Amino acid sequence: DVKVTQSSRYLVKRTGEKVFLECVQDMDHENMFWYRQDPGLGLRLIYFSYDVKMKEKGDIPEGYSVSREKKERFSLILESASTNQTSMYLCASTARADNVLTFGAGSRLTVL
Amino acid sequence: DAKTTQPPSMDCAEGRAANLPCNHSTISGNEYVYWYRQIHSQGPQYIIHGLKNNETNEMASLIITEDRKSSTLILPHATLRDTAVYYCIVRVIAAELMDTGRRALTFGSGTRLQVQP
Repeated sequence: DVKVTQSSRYLVKRTGEKVFLECVQDMDHENMFWYRQDPGLGLRLIYFSYDVKMKEKGDIPEGYSVSREKKERFSLILESASTNQTSMYLCASTARADNVLTFGAGSRLTVL
Repeated sequence: DAKTTQPPSMDCAEGRAANLPCNHSTISGNEYVYWYRQIHSQGPQYIIHGLKNNETNEMASLIITEDRKSSTLILPHATLRDTAVYYCIVRVIAAELMDTGRRALTFGSGTRLQVQP
């Protein structure tokens, strides 16, 4: 089974802290994505990557950056966390020619 | 990508078939219909997809109208564990997207299915 593993299920951070959310997939997928999900707003794409060291902005990249140094790992970075970044963060991956995404279980981040 | 319209919520009795509709009247000839669902506090899960023929797998059936302007996801015997938000997405296959900037799927607000005991 394809597996997408997000490093932390729940995190609590303080305003201004640097936050790393890690995502690892084990199926050699080229494409990886970071979404955030908020009540009433659905899933919104933050960033995605279609190859190692490649990244593209999604719909809401402000306040975030990403890193893809290895094919299996896609990290989301909040340089200086703010309370409006309190959310559920979802990582997903898919093969290059595919629209079948496999999602991780999600990381619920609370910024105080 | 073509826009989709789904009812915001539906109820279904446990053991009965759940029929979830999706309108996609602007669908193009090379766009597929994909269905995902999201159970509370979990990531979305792929269910099924199709182009124009009806499709069935172990989870569900997908019925696409002949004009392809709408489709229905059928859960033949709904259980309480099928309570979730169901998303209908219309999309060309990724291999046809030369512009990498368009490779990400967009999720709408979906249909919240409540299976009642």
